[in-house]
Amino acid sequence: GAGVSQSPSNKVTEKGKDVELRCDPISGHTALYWYRQSLGQGLEFLIYFQGNSAPDKSGLPSDRFSAERTGGSVSTLTIQRTQQEDSAVYLCASSPQTGGAKTQYFGPGTRLLVL
Amino acid sequence: QKEVEQDPGPLSVPEGAIVSLNCTYSNSAFQYFMWYRQYSRKGPELLMYTYSSGNKEDGRFTAQVDKSSKYISLFIRDSQPSDSATYLCAMNVGSNYKLTFGKGTLLTVNP
Repeated sequence: GAGVSQSPSNKVTEKGKDVELRCDPISGHTALYWYRQSLGQGLEFLIYFQGNSAPDKSGLPSDRFSAERTGGSVSTLTIQRTQQEDSAVYLCASSPQTGGAKTQYFGPGTRLLVL
Repeated sequence: QKEVEQDPGPLSVPEGAIVSLNCTYSNSAFQYFMWYRQYSRKGPELLMYTYSSGNKEDGRFTAQVDKSSKYISLFIRDSQPSDSATYLCAMNVGSNYKLTFGKGTLLTVNP
């Protein structure tokens, strides 16, 4: 079956512009996660959704970052007024109701470059 | 001290070698331990997860957990060039959704 998909695969933007990153989880997966992977850094947790609600937004680095999930499926991560330090690979993962966080399946990521 | 420490390498081995990849952690509450493989410009792929101390084997891969030492390992037997990738350890507390990752070890298997 289809895995987690993300779009765009690459995004180049200018400092100060807003960007939207999209994630389509595996069909039927109730949990969705966003991570950020910066050069030389491990994966950094950003936000977790269970259904449409986000019980944990603690990983979002600033109020310029927001995310939403509609219909218990697609999620969008928005970064406002982008800064050069936002350049990273943004990864989305989903997991089924059973199995939980230990069975997270990742998408290919969106590579964001802020000039 | 970071919660999860992983030597970034790089690690280069000849084809057929046994590879040992390791992580240490400081949070004794971690209960689930995972290994992910990430090819260049791809997302991480779950290889194995273990719950308790001991060994778990899957084909050429063996995951080992020593909770008393807060040390986990992934062994790859008969390594192949196709195993060349970054290997990430990850762990979490029980049903907690948040995975804590190591920085990853870059492995190259030379033909």
